[in-house]
Amino acid sequence: ETGVTQTPRHLVMGMTNKKSLKCEQHLGHNAMYWYKQSAKKPLELMFVYNFKEQTENNSVPSRFSPECPNSSHLFLHLHTLQPEDSALYLCASSQMDDRGNTEAFFGQGTRLTVV
Amino acid sequence: GQNIDQPTEMTATEGAIVQINCTYQTSGFNGLFWYQQHAGEAPTFLSYNVLDGLEEKGRFSSFLSRSKGYSYLLLKELQMKDSASYLCAVIDSNYQLIWGAGTKLIIKP
Repeated sequence: ETGVTQTPRHLVMGMTNKKSLKCEQHLGHNAMYWYKQSAKKPLELMFVYNFKEQTENNSVPSRFSPECPNSSHLFLHLHTLQPEDSALYLCASSQMDDRGNTEAFFGQGTRLTVV
Repeated sequence: GQNIDQPTEMTATEGAIVQINCTYQTSGFNGLFWYQQHAGEAPTFLSYNVLDGLEEKGRFSSFLSRSKGYSYLLLKELQMKDSASYLCAVIDSNYQLIWGAGTKLIIKP
């Protein structure tokens, strides 16, 4: 199995739909992340979970709702999205300890289109 | 505020050498990463620098100058498969990754 797996790879949803993105990591890492990647913009950190506890929420609209049931799984629940939310959503994991943070390993991403 | 600057796009010729620069202004510094991202794919780790100097890994090298807030990624003997975006990211004092927008590298025959 690959290190970080995301499903689905592609998603088209209407503004009134509810959907969820799933991420699973098989690397034994203790931190997981959701990023948004829009064209020609830096990666935007959305949420960080460290030891299953959410440690960052960078002013993300409430229409995005994360869930981390255990250290290997991460979900992003979506509802009443806007067309400007169309982007590539990347999940990543890393190992955090007292010395800092290892490099992040990314999933393949979910290409989301809101119509 | 925190800022990472990279050129938006660069073009180079197959077999040549290209240097992609990254300058940063961050609240603290705990290391710098370079990632490669092919279109439609996940970013993949290339290199990590935390001390000044050059780190060489095959055809790719990465340089860091902490006093200048500057790094570069050097790609030698360019191949067509090196066409991708190259992302610079800095770990700040809170151990958060601050990302640049990436440099799209186009390799021409």
